Amino acid sequence: SAVISQKPSRDICQRGTSLTIQCQVDSQVTMMFWYRQQPGQSLTLIATANQGSEATYESGFVIDKFPISRPNLTFSTLTVSNMSPEDSSIYLCSVDRAGLGTEAFFGQGTRLTVV
Amino acid sequence: AQSVTQPDIHITVSEGASLELRCNYSYGATPYLFWYVQSPGQGLQLLLKYFSGDTLVQGIKGFEAEFKRSQSSFNLRKPSVHWSDAAEYFCAVGADKLSFGAGTTVTVRA
Repeated sequence: SAVISQKPSRDICQRGTSLTIQCQVDSQVTMMFWYRQQPGQSLTLIATANQGSEATYESGFVIDKFPISRPNLTFSTLTVSNMSPEDSSIYLCSVDRAGLGTEAFFGQGTRLTVV
Repeated sequence: AQSVTQPDIHITVSEGASLELRCNYSYGATPYLFWYVQSPGQGLQLLLKYFSGDTLVQGIKGFEAEFKRSQSSFNLRKPSVHWSDAAEYFCAVGADKLSFGAGTTVTVRA
């Protein structure tokens, strides 16, 4: 299995501010994914982050709101920009170490509350 | 397009009883299927996965799932539930990026 560390584990932020979430993996991975889990909801994919290229965003998510960095094969960040209470969610980082869809592991998540 | 349906929002089961959680998927090719468990305040833990081979898959914590292509199903089962199995269970499908079902909340009564 892959060990995925996310920071921070939780935060309470003022509306209009931005928060950057970090995801560190204990081994090199091809793909990293960012998901959002709104309260009481399932997980929705925000974007796919590949090293050396721009992130690919899913419908309904844009780079200006959720900029992503992927500087190397073990690290990625997701920024939630200009936050509003609707952004209150759990944000999860996921990796697919094999690159084949056969190993999908998740971090513990970042619980974000926007007030 | 890929999608997952978990028909049961909430299931209550007695400790020691058997459990079955339903999952139906839509996918254009041979699916990669997953079951995850999320305990309150915790991240997602992979219970088991299927991508080829034996259609009956064994996972952790005594769970198993059976892939039935003809029914587009991947139901999760456990013969005897423990109180610690109370959690949210998610079925997912995908080759790299995953689509998740809405989840099934399992409550275990003593």
